[in-house]
Amino acid sequence: GAGVSQSPRYKVAKRGQDVALRCDPISGHVSLFWYQQALGQGPEFLTYFQNEAQLDKSGLPSDRFFAERPEGSVSTLKIQRTQQEDSAVYLCASSRQPGQLDYGYTFGSGTRLTVV
Amino acid sequence: QKEVEQNSGPLSVPEGAIASLNCTYSDRGSQSFFWYRQYSGKSPELIMSIYSNGDKEDGRFTAQLNKASQYVSLLIRDSQPSDSATYLCAVPSGTYKYIFGTGTRLKVLA
Repeated sequence: GAGVSQSPRYKVAKRGQDVALRCDPISGHVSLFWYQQALGQGPEFLTYFQNEAQLDKSGLPSDRFFAERPEGSVSTLKIQRTQQEDSAVYLCASSRQPGQLDYGYTFGSGTRLTVV
Repeated sequence: QKEVEQNSGPLSVPEGAIASLNCTYSDRGSQSFFWYRQYSGKSPELIMSIYSNGDKEDGRFTAQLNKASQYVSLLIRDSQPSDSATYLCAVPSGTYKYIFGTGTRLKVLA
């Protein structure tokens, strides 16, 4: 596609519910990233995929968070037993090649998760 | 933990004025610096990058870097209401991820 597509755009979950957030990166982009942006804060790194390999998951806040990219294209971020502190915008970004910070990321429009 | 610090604002400037946005960083080894713009409810977009001490100009935008002071700034000349957004300073951490500041909210008053 022309850009990074994320769905759903908005998600309201009851505390304790599991959620799955989808990211469809730009076709051919090798690198895929998930960031979490809390209200009034900058984005914080969650995890990084190069093709289907998850090379860095150091930013995942707890073992309730799980991400996958099984075929090296679409990625899913899953949050189990959601808590109120999980409320944030979850941003997906992709880049054509690894290590291309110089060109910046292309971010998706994000999924705003509200846990009630 | 590497840190990137920004004043959260809001910074209010009249239309046509120069807006000055500032960022400090803790890692003396940082070599490159990036400014992203984020409109309300939208995703960040890259607007400027700078690698060398001094100034880098791109249209109405000028990035300034002082590595000795660990300070990077973004100047917006002839500010327009359409420049109203949050400006995020970002510093690479390794080869593939950024550390973002909290962002400075800019309001350009018509």
